Amino acid sequence: GAGVSQTPSNKVTEKGKYVELRCDPISGHTALYWYRQSLGQGPEFLIYFQGTGAADDSGLPNDRFFAVRPEGSVSTLKIQRTERGDSAVYLCASSPSGDGSEQFFGPGTRLTVL
Amino acid sequence: DQQVKQNSPSLSVQEGRISILNCDYTNSMFDYFLWYKKYPAEGPTFLISISSIKDKNEDGRFTVFLNKSAKHLSLHIVPSQPGDSAVYFCAASGDSSASKIIFGSGTRLSIRP
Repeated sequence: GAGVSQTPSNKVTEKGKYVELRCDPISGHTALYWYRQSLGQGPEFLIYFQGTGAADDSGLPNDRFFAVRPEGSVSTLKIQRTERGDSAVYLCASSPSGDGSEQFFGPGTRLTVL
Repeated sequence: DQQVKQNSPSLSVQEGRISILNCDYTNSMFDYFLWYKKYPAEGPTFLISISSIKDKNEDGRFTVFLNKSAKHLSLHIVPSQPGDSAVYFCAASGDSSASKIIFGSGTRLSIRP
């Protein structure tokens, strides 16, 4: 079946603009995760959804970052007033239940803030 | 403060030989450890995991060893194949739910002919 998909694959924006990054998890997966990967680093946890609710948002760096999953499937990561330091690859992952089951990653969205 | 450390950014191994990738962690509350493999322009893919109640887990050519007293784990790949060339991430979770995974910075493995 289809894996995790993320759109767009690349996003270039100007400092101060607002961006939305979309994640389509594997059908039926109740858990969804967002990570951010900067150059030369491993993925850094941002937020975890179980169903529609954010079970753990401790990784969101500040209040410019927000994520939603209104129907328990597709999720959108929203970044307001983007800064150059937000440039990174944003990865989404899903898992069947979030109780230790394997996380399946999408290919990521490369965000570049000029 | 990096809780999961991969001190070797790169490793080159001859095809057919053993590849050993190392990882250290600082948080003694971690009880579940994973290795992910990543090719360029793709997301990481799960490779193998180990629970803290074990010291070894094997899956085909891949074996993960855990030394809790040293807070150290390693991934052994034998024999190494050209398709193993990728970036390998060590990761750890602080509870059995593995909902929040902490990743290391990765080791780029190159398998040379």
